[in-house]
Amino acid sequence: AQSVTQLDSHVSVSEGTPVLLRCNYSSSYSPSLFWYVQHPNKGLQLLLKYTSAATLVKGINGFEAEFKKSETSFHLTKPSAHMSDAAEYFCVVTDQRYSGGYQKVTFGTGTKLQVIP
Amino acid sequence: EAGVAQSPRYKIIEKRQSVAFWCNPISGHATLYWYQQILGQGPKLLIQFQNNGVVDDSQLPKDRFSAERLKGVDSTLKIQPAKLEDSAVYLCASSLGQARNNEQFFGPGTRLTVL
Repeated sequence: AQSVTQLDSHVSVSEGTPVLLRCNYSSSYSPSLFWYVQHPNKGLQLLLKYTSAATLVKGINGFEAEFKKSETSFHLTKPSAHMSDAAEYFCVVTDQRYSGGYQKVTFGTGTKLQVIP
Repeated sequence: EAGVAQSPRYKIIEKRQSVAFWCNPISGHATLYWYQQILGQGPKLLIQFQNNGVVDDSQLPKDRFSAERLKGVDSTLKIQPAKLEDSAVYLCASSLGQARNNEQFFGPGTRLTVL
């Protein structure tokens, strides 16, 4: 079974403080995990992805995420929030039953990040 | 590199009418996805194509929704007849192929309002 749970629908932080957006996943196979960002009236853009190489993944705009298999988590962090980080963030899991098989993909429900000046 | 193109950007129709959306993926991308994103929710995969074949349409309401990808490039998604609950943004995405680590590239979406 494949599923994604984003534990917070809304997160509010002050500018300059750390950001933590939480994501837990379930997959019957070896998954890949992604974080996408959606700014208001803009398309979805990839922030970072985990594909079974390094468990700590660095993305664009200072974001990073750590894959923790034992906790089935892939939380997104940033040391210092900027006003431009205000957006909606989606955690995504993909897997394949076998190499060459079709890729199954599931999006989380999203976390809206508000940054307070 | 040109991104994923979608048209129209906005559409307003009355219930029971028909509507069609068009998507042109990034050149060379074999996999194409259609998602439905209802306000306040995450995108839900409706259908996934590999070239011109369907690999997953398990969440497509087939009594009213249909999609095709002729010649393995452009794709259209049709709703006939539309219901109020079909109001959403319809996103098209493409990726190089079926490998699980392939990034998806998204178009700007079509915002559908059903009155």
